[in-house]
Amino acid sequence: SAVISQKPSRDICQRGTSLTIQCQVDSQVTMMFWYRQQPGQSLTLIATANQGSEATYESGFVIDKFPISRPNLTFSTLTVSNMSPEDSSIYLCSGGGATDTQYFGPGTRLTVL
Amino acid sequence: AQTVTQSQPEMSVQEAETVTLSCTYDTSENNYYLFWYKQPPSRQMILVIRQEAYKQQNATENRFSVNFQKAAKSFSLKISDSQLGDTAMYFCAFMKWEVMRFGAGTRLTVKP
Repeated sequence: SAVISQKPSRDICQRGTSLTIQCQVDSQVTMMFWYRQQPGQSLTLIATANQGSEATYESGFVIDKFPISRPNLTFSTLTVSNMSPEDSSIYLCSGGGATDTQYFGPGTRLTVL
Repeated sequence: AQTVTQSQPEMSVQEAETVTLSCTYDTSENNYYLFWYKQPPSRQMILVIRQEAYKQQNATENRFSVNFQKAAKSFSLKISDSQLGDTAMYFCAFMKWEVMRFGAGTRLTVKP
């Protein structure tokens, strides 16, 4: 199994600003992912963070809005850019092997005023 | 695209009793992975159980077991001897080619 941490755990931001969320895994993992979850709802995949190449985004999510970095096999960042109140949500990262279980971080609760 | 359906938005069970949560999925793939995750109010996603589609034997983890019906594309979770700590959202998930798709979730409440 893998233990995943995220920073910050929560933040309150002003509209128009950007926030970068960090995800750290305690061991090397092949795959890392970023999800968005509205309270009481399911997880929606934002993108797959690829090590050494550009992230792969799901329909409805674009790089300009959600730039992602993955400099190595244990770390990734997600930036939420030019935020609006509609971006208020919980953001979760996960990591795992190519055919393995995904383990999740504790999430970052973002509120945009 | 694969879809995962959880038809029970909410369920409740008395402590020490057994409850079954339903999940169906749609795929044309033959090899894939299925999971149940638990998300308590702390919002930490916790793996409950995992099933590889190529294995006919149903997975079991202590009080948690699944009924995997590949032909019917059904993957239900049975929780035996329910405990108060089992109260949480439960998500069924399908994984193929590293990408995981989640159902809408079932909110389970265990009553004392």
